[in-house]
Amino acid sequence: DTAVSQTPKYLVTQMGNDKSIKCEQNLGHDTMYWYKQDSKKFLKIMFSYNNKELIINETVPNRFSPKSPDKAHLNLHINSLELGDSAVYFCASSQGEAVTTQPQHFGDGTRLSIL
Amino acid sequence: QQQVKQSPQSLIVQKGGISIINCAYENTAFDYFPWYQQFPGKGPALLIAIRPDVSEKKEGRFTISFNKSAKQFSLHIMDSQPGDSATYFCAASMITSGNEKLTFGTGTRLTIIP
Repeated sequence: DTAVSQTPKYLVTQMGNDKSIKCEQNLGHDTMYWYKQDSKKFLKIMFSYNNKELIINETVPNRFSPKSPDKAHLNLHINSLELGDSAVYFCASSQGEAVTTQPQHFGDGTRLSIL
Repeated sequence: QQQVKQSPQSLIVQKGGISIINCAYENTAFDYFPWYQQFPGKGPALLIAIRPDVSEKKEGRFTISFNKSAKQFSLHIMDSQPGDSATYFCAASMITSGNEKLTFGTGTRLTIIP
């Protein structure tokens, strides 16, 4: 009964390739996010989607393209992978009410390694 | 520019002792201050959170102390146990354009020794 699930858990690929990470949440939340955690464990938001619409895009290179087919899914596609893209990518979701902030629930991450 | 500063970077505490992690923020628009616990290979999990209208919140062995005027908040773990060994992140959240944005501190690696 995983609330936020990501696949794959590990992704090893060569520089220049294109890859996708999938995320699904079964919490009925309206808002989903992608975060990047670097080698020093610093967590930084990349995108947020509310009801399939892009809300936050934190100056992420346009090689990263999130896609939300429905409000329970938010996938991350990365083109032309670079060495600096190696990190752990976390998906999260929240109720996303506009009036008060709500807790975010995280998946277990996808460790992306670029060779 | 780091909007949420967290210290220490790492902390070693003996079993049964009190673990204290501190955070400071700059933006007074933040209105929600959660703490997350992360174990190796897992995502951050919400531990406890506070809003700025209260100065303290306690849940079991975990307490958040909040000082609005100083723009600081801290996590206290009482009777620390080896199972508490993890990385702890403070965070601050605000509503931006009708949606929330969470900014994390840099994390504290806590080790509880027997």
